[in-house]
Amino acid sequence: EAGVVQSPRYKIIEKKQPVAFWCNPISGHNTLYWYRQNLGQGPELLIRYENEEAVDDSQLPKDRFSAERLKGVDSTLKIQPAELGDSAVYLCASSTGRGLPEAFFGQGTRLTVV
Amino acid sequence: AQSVTQLDSQVPVFEEAPVELRCNYSSSVSVYLFWYVQYPNQGLQLLLKYLSGSTLVESINGFEAEFNKSQTSFHLRKPSVHISDTAEYFCAVSSNDYKLSFGAGTTVTVRA
Repeated sequence: EAGVVQSPRYKIIEKKQPVAFWCNPISGHNTLYWYRQNLGQGPELLIRYENEEAVDDSQLPKDRFSAERLKGVDSTLKIQPAELGDSAVYLCASSTGRGLPEAFFGQGTRLTVV
Repeated sequence: AQSVTQLDSQVPVFEEAPVELRCNYSSSVSVYLFWYVQYPNQGLQLLLKYLSGSTLVESINGFEAEFNKSQTSFHLRKPSVHISDTAEYFCAVSSNDYKLSFGAGTTVTVRA
């Protein structure tokens, strides 16, 4: 069974530029999460999807961040424009959504904003 | 809302020695508890979980954790560590909202 796939693995951009991250969850997993992990800290939830619906986006900075999960499978997280403080690892995770919160994580995208 | 406190940010340990990583959580409702491990430049891998039933849970590579409801703790232990156990370990808690809240992590460095 393939795990959660994220791309790209690394991204370096200049501030004020846009950037997008892509995630393909484990097949059959209805729940998809985007987390941000700052250096030396634990991951923090940005948004959670149940199928194609964003059910928890309270921590997503909506002025510059957006996300979508078309057809309830793949998901894209976008930042526009990026700021220096957005440098972090962006982690995607998925779970079955059938009553158990166990989440499986991708390898993450390390974003560096210069 | 729940929060997680990992009491040790760095734990150096010699090979074949025991290790304990401490985790305390705060939550007003029933919780699910997890330990994740993160190797350098990798994503998080689930190490073990407590969902219900026996309060002592074990992983396939020798780690164990015990859920203590009265002390709101979920400490992780291994009786004898290997060099390959060098990694960062995250404790996480979730309740009925399926939101995983993570601690700040504990870096374990195993030395020969």
